[in-house]
Amino acid sequence: DTAVSQTPKYLVTQMGNDKSIKCEQNLGHDTMYWYKQDSKKFLKIMFSYNNKELIINETVPNRFSPKSPDKAHLNLHINSLELGDSAVYFCASSQERRPNYGYTFGSGTRLTVV
Amino acid sequence: DQQVKQNSPSLSVQEGRISILNCDYTNSMFDYFLWYKKYPAEGPTFLISISSIKDKNEDGRFTVFLNKSAKHLSLHIVPSQPGDSAVYFCAASAPISGNTPLVFGKGTRLSVIA
Repeated sequence: DTAVSQTPKYLVTQMGNDKSIKCEQNLGHDTMYWYKQDSKKFLKIMFSYNNKELIINETVPNRFSPKSPDKAHLNLHINSLELGDSAVYFCASSQERRPNYGYTFGSGTRLTVV
Repeated sequence: DQQVKQNSPSLSVQEGRISILNCDYTNSMFDYFLWYKKYPAEGPTFLISISSIKDKNEDGRFTVFLNKSAKHLSLHIVPSQPGDSAVYFCAASAPISGNTPLVFGKGTRLSVIA
């Protein structure tokens, strides 16, 4: 019973393709996030949703579009994939927007664009 | 612009000794700090946190120290155990209403040698 689950764990795809990464949490949290860990190892916030409402949208290309069908799910759709999109993408959730115990992360999706 | 810096990419420590991981930050608005631990192919997991109103927080073998004037925090692990070998991320949060994602450093890889 994984708390925050992401699928797929690994994704290899060609440039120009469109792909989606799914995230689900069963913790009853009301805020979910997408972080990107690039080759320089920084974990950078991309998006945050609170109760299905977008509250953070950092400067990412508009080829990236998050979708939250309900507060337990936050999917990430990427159009026209580029080589530079290769990274590990982490989904996370928290009970509040600014929790004292931090976020619960999924195990990550390693995206490789060839 | 790195608001959270972990300048040591790696650290090796003998089992039983103390591990000290350091973190510096530049944003004086940060008032909450967290440490996460990450094993390979897993997401980061919350370890310990500290509020800016404190200068020390202890949880078992883990202690976090905060020096606000120096904008520096450190994580002490004593005694270090082989199972502590992982990447440790420092993270910080600012009290911006409704928009306070965690800002992460790029991690320090700790190796505890038996």
